[in-house]
Amino acid sequence: SQQGEEDPQALSIQEGENATMNCSYKTSINNLQWYRQNSGRGLVHLILIRSNEREKHSGRLRVTLDTSKKSSSLLITASRAADTASYFCATDAGGNEKLTFGTGTRLTIIP
Amino acid sequence: DAEITQSPRHKITETGRQVTLACHQTWNHNNMFWYRQDLGHGLRLIHYSYGVQDTNKGEVSDGYSVSRSNTEDLPLTLESAASSQTSVYFCASSVGSTGYTEAFFGQGTRLTVV
Repeated sequence: SQQGEEDPQALSIQEGENATMNCSYKTSINNLQWYRQNSGRGLVHLILIRSNEREKHSGRLRVTLDTSKKSSSLLITASRAADTASYFCATDAGGNEKLTFGTGTRLTIIP
Repeated sequence: DAEITQSPRHKITETGRQVTLACHQTWNHNNMFWYRQDLGHGLRLIHYSYGVQDTNKGEVSDGYSVSRSNTEDLPLTLESAASSQTSVYFCASSVGSTGYTEAFFGQGTRLTVV
């Protein structure tokens, strides 16, 4: 069974706008990670947030984590055409680096 | 540069045949994982290993096996391929030392069982 569920399943925005994706999960976690997947390629790690952290930034990425609601969000600011990809959240429940992935959000940036 | 490679990139096989997908990493990572990706399901864990001679079943392990005889390789074997195993398969590795490290993914193998 999937640990994470991303919302929305698909999102289309104009270049330059901000994109927000949400992830909900079911069990307690050690950390939560976000990955990007370009069409036909493998996944690339974007950011990791620990269970005792509430917010983390990396460049144009901002991730929040609310463990009480078992949810996380990924914000991409000032989107670019190159951000077009699928985005997945993944949870590590036991701190053993065994990840459980959500179903992903397909993001399309319209030039 | 260190990397993780999968081979073949594409494979077509017949129902009932044994198939082995290769995964090789040059990071000297302890952890290695196999996932399958299907539309609507995201990535699901098949098998994983935390080191040489260690293997564990994941969420969807039926019909698959792995072996870890060295640090670099974790081949995935489909004992008797079934149409339900048509999928894209991804291998990943991670350091395995702190519990807070990222996974590195291969480019994937697209397997079609006819």
